[in-house]
Amino acid sequence: DIQMTQSPSSLSASVGDRVTITCRASQSISSYLNWYQQKPGKAPKLLIYAASSLQSGVPSRFSGSGSGTDFTLTISSLQPEDFATYYCQQSYSTPMYSFGQGTKLEIK
Amino acid sequence: EVQLVESGGGLVQPGGSLRLSCAASGFTFSSYAMSWVRQAPGKGLEWVSAISGSGGSTYYADSVKGRFTISRDNSKNTLYLQMNSLRAEDTAVYYCAKDGRSYGPGGYYYYYMDVWGKGTTVTVSS
Repeated sequence: DIQMTQSPSSLSASVGDRVTITCRASQSISSYLNWYQQKPGKAPKLLIYAASSLQSGVPSRFSGSGSGTDFTLTISSLQPEDFATYYCQQSYSTPMYSFGQGTKLEIK
Repeated sequence: EVQLVESGGGLVQPGGSLRLSCAASGFTFSSYAMSWVRQAPGKGLEWVSAISGSGGSTYYADSVKGRFTISRDNSKNTLYLQMNSLRAEDTAVYYCAKDGRSYGPGGYYYYYMDVWGKGTTVTVSS
C-alpha cells in the first residue's frame, strides 16, 4: 500500500502570507497526486490534480508542484476563505486511493 | 447540476448492519467509477471502497474487507455500501464521490474525486 505523509500537521498563518504544505509518498507515484480542501462540516473540494493542474474554478493563488515522491501545495497570498484543512491523495493505484493525514491551516 | 446525495446513516449497535445509498444525478452514472470515503470524528479522510462504472470490479480498504460490500444499480443511478459486522471504529461520516479523469503530464489520464456528496453519519455504539 502507498502511504502518504503530510507536513506540517498544522500551520498558523496570516492573511496575505505565502504558505507551503508538503506531501511525501512512500514510493514513487509519478505525478499522480491530488490536493483537496475541506472546511468544517463540509465535503472535501478538489483543488489540484496531476500534481500541478488547477481544477476549474479554483483561484490561481493555489498551485502544486512535484513528482516522484515529494510534492507541495502553495497558496501565494492567503485569503480569509483559505483557512481550512488540506489533504493530499495519491491516484497512482486508482481506484485504491490513499490520503495524507491532513494539514490544518489556522489563522495566526 | 451534478449532484450526489447520501442516505441510510444512523445509530447501530456493534455487530449490526447498515446499508448506505448514494443517489446520483446530472451525469452519465454508468460511465464513472465511484468511491466511498469516510471520516471519523476529528480525523482525516480514509478511502473505503470503489467500484467500476459497470460494477464488474470492486475494491476495498483492508480495514473493511470481508465486512463491507459496494454495489451499484446503474438503472437507478444509485451507489450502495452494505456494512456488516460493524465496529465502534466504523463510526464516521461516509461520503460518496465520483471519479473524474483528465489528461495530464505525458499525455496520460489522471484520476481524482471531482464530485462529493454532503455525507451521511454512521454511529456504532451500544
